[in-house]
Amino acid sequence: QSVLTQPPSASGTPGQRVTISCSGSSSNIGSNYVYWYQHLPGTAPKLLIYSNLQRPSGVPDRFSGSKSGSSASLAISGLRSEDEADYYCATWDDSLRGWVFGGGTKLTVL
Amino acid sequence: QLQLQESGPRLVKPLETLSLTCNVSGGSISNNNYYWGWIRQPPGKGLEWIASIYYSGSTYYNPSLKSRVTISVDTSKNHFSLKLSSVTAADTAVYFCTRHFPPKYGSGIAYFDYWGQGTLVTVSS
Repeated sequence: QSVLTQPPSASGTPGQRVTISCSGSSSNIGSNYVYWYQHLPGTAPKLLIYSNLQRPSGVPDRFSGSKSGSSASLAISGLRSEDEADYYCATWDDSLRGWVFGGGTKLTVL
Repeated sequence: QLQLQESGPRLVKPLETLSLTCNVSGGSISNNNYYWGWIRQPPGKGLEWIASIYYSGSTYYNPSLKSRVTISVDTSKNHFSLKLSSVTAADTAVYFCTRHFPPKYGSGIAYFDYWGQGTLVTVSS
């Protein structure tokens, strides 16, 4: 059972917009920044979003992040086949004094 | 370019201790900006942070694993290590070593930026 709650799966067709939610609590998302990672099998996870909504250089602006209260979301617009991957939200938890991840959302591009 | 590389036994027997080392190249582990950590992913499951350490020895541990985990750093060898005791099949996972800023550092820049390629450790007799 993950501290952060994500839907296990999401899907969309090419060109569509998909949103992945991440729900936490006041001790984690509610009081810390949220990060999003994209993970392809057999590779290391890649940072997509930091500081709730900032994109590292090289990440397309099709990816956007938002946060409200104790929840956060990752939106992917103009869906492409190469976006098919697992997506994880992560943040620091002040009560646990540790990093926590969501359970991951497997995105399928139909 | 900073590179991290995990090394250690790929097969560990139940109830024994899993030991992994992360060799850091292209930069100093004594860089006073960063923590060095371990994250794992069991087959078919999500990512789980295990522990992090600062070059000075300051540590953070996942409370659910803390009683079995030891993380250490050797600045002379530019590497850090993980020991997980009394392993069971549930500890079978791909183990990644990684780097991050201190948790409350800056404005949301404490992300895991460099990762090793990951190493699958299987617990089996």
